[in-house]
Amino acid sequence: AQSVAQPEDQVNVAEGNPLTVKCTYSVSGNPYLFWYVQYPNRGLQFLLKYITGDNLVKGSYGFEAEFNKSQTSFHLKKPSALVSDSALYFCAVRDIRGDDMRFGAGTRLTVKP
Amino acid sequence: EAGVAQSPRYKIIEKRQSVAFWCNPISGHATLYWYQQILGQGPKLLIQFQNNGVVDDSQLPKDRFSAERLKGVDSTLKIQPAKLEDSAVYLCASTLGGGYYEQYFGPGTRLTVT
Repeated sequence: AQSVAQPEDQVNVAEGNPLTVKCTYSVSGNPYLFWYVQYPNRGLQFLLKYITGDNLVKGSYGFEAEFNKSQTSFHLKKPSALVSDSALYFCAVRDIRGDDMRFGAGTRLTVKP
Repeated sequence: EAGVAQSPRYKIIEKRQSVAFWCNPISGHATLYWYQQILGQGPKLLIQFQNNGVVDDSQLPKDRFSAERLKGVDSTLKIQPAKLEDSAVYLCASTLGGGYYEQYFGPGTRLTVT
């Protein structure tokens, strides 16, 4: 079965600095990979996904993620963080042969002015 | 396009009582999911519907949880009787299909069992 690890419970960055939220995955086949963001008292919002092709995926709000097959990673990045990016971020993986999607435990991003 | 609707947003009940949550997915989305999100954890799938049929309910505690999706549109998740450990946010999501389609989530129902 597939699984996702988000090794950092909390990431703190200063506004204007680049940010990275880490994600590693495990699947028996090839993966579909997703990033979601959750603001307080809200459901999860889709940010971006990797299906195939270019390893650098661009998504909403200036976020991007890099798929690295050899390291089984899909780290979320943004060149310049905003205070409004402060939220809970979830990485998710689905094996392309199945329907079951597994979420990581989440990383809380705090961007300080 | 209207999003996924859920109600109620908040519910407080005593243990051993019953509770029901409602979800209305995005129009045209054939696949519907119910997730349980315990504080500090990622969403855990409870049940997945494709139209009005169950695709996966392997993680649904069937002795107390039940779900249905009549006519392949709205869905209801019920807990009876509730336990303290059922306190969580219950999220409904819908999607056009499986595979590489992203899921769209509702705002969730925060359940507190006392």
